[in-house]
Order: sequence, then structure tokens, then C-alpha cells
Amino acid sequence: EAGVAQSPRYKIIEKRQSVAFWCNPISGHATLYWYQQILGQGPKLLIQFQNNGVVDDSQLPKDRFSAERLKGVDSTLKIQPAKLEDSAVYLCASSLEVARGQYFGPGTRLTVT
Amino acid sequence: LAKTTQPISMDSYEGQEVNITCSHNNIATNDYITWYQQFPSQGPRFIIQGYKTKVTNEVASLFIPADRKSSTLSLPRVSLSDTAVYYCLVGDRNTGRRALTFGSGTRLQVQP
Repeated sequence: EAGVAQSPRYKIIEKRQSVAFWCNPISGHATLYWYQQILGQGPKLLIQFQNNGVVDDSQLPKDRFSAERLKGVDSTLKIQPAKLEDSAVYLCASSLEVARGQYFGPGTRLTVT
Repeated sequence: LAKTTQPISMDSYEGQEVNITCSHNNIATNDYITWYQQFPSQGPRFIIQGYKTKVTNEVASLFIPADRKSSTLSLPRVSLSDTAVYYCLVGDRNTGRRALTFGSGTRLQVQP
């Protein structure tokens, strides 16, 4: 079974630039999550989708972050404009249902200079 | 929002059993408990999930007392490859609407 795919794996941008991350979840998984993990900390949930609807985006900085999940499969997370404090690993995860364990992708390491 | 508390770090030796306890005093009726393992430069990996009593799989056991205010992840006979950060996660079982909050995790170091 193929795992959660993410791209790119690494990205370096300057502050005030924009960036987008892509995630392809495990086939058949209805729930998709985006997390931000700052070095030395646990992952922080940014947004949770159930199919193509948003379940929880309470911790998403909506003035600069946006996410969508078209057709309930792939998802993109965008940051515009980026700030230095956005430097982190962005993890995508999916699960069969909201109550099941999540399966994480390898993450995208973002460096904002 | 159920907050979790875990030891920052633990040390063990190969072949020993390791028990990592997570405190979640404010756990709600619909919350379930999930443990993840994370190696450097990788995303977390699902280990085990439970709601009450005991759950066992091929990797670990999860013990949850009746009051559900804590849980213990038990790793039998650890090896060097079990060196990682372990996270306890408490989330809503039915709706998933409550934010899924990872704590700071427990850094397990296994020595030869």
C-alpha cells in the first residue's frame, strides 16, 4: 500500500514570498490533516479535512495560510506571504476515518530567509 | 481541550521493557488515546490506539486505567532502533472536531 506522498521535500524561500505544498493521501482515506512542526516541538494541527470539507481550521493563521482539498483527494497548503517564523516541517497525514490512527507523509522542510 | 503531559526523556538498555506514561486529566468521554513514534527527519508513525482497558498489537501494549486520566505505552524488549520521540495524543472519537494536540513528546534513548 502506497503511503502519504508530499512534495516538495525541501523548499527555501525569502520572507514575503509565497509557497505551496502538495499532499496525496493514502487511497480511500477520507480524512486529511496538515501539521506544522517546528524544530524540537511536537506537530501542531493546522487544518483537518473530511473528504473535501473543513472539519477544524481553528489553528490555521488564515491571514497568510490557506488550504484546499479538491475532489476529496489531493490537498495543497499555501503560505502567502511567508514570514521567518514559518520555517518548519509541514506534515500531511491521512486516516480512514476521523477516529482512526493517522498515517504521516515524510514532510516538507521549509526554510524562510 | 485535553492537555497531555509526558516525561521529557527516558533512557533504557536493549532488551528491557519500557513503559512511558502520559497524563491527560481533562480527557473527555468521547476522547481516544493514540501513540505515535517519530524518528529524526521523518513524519510520526502510528503505534497504537485505545479507549479503555488494554490494547495490544505486534509492536506495543497500551494500558488505560478505569478513570482514563492517564495511559501507559509499553514497549517490550526494546532495541537500538526504538530510539525515537514518542507522542501521546488525545482526540475526539466521534466528530474529530477537537484539535488533535501533540505534546512535546518523550525522547527515548536506548543504549546497547
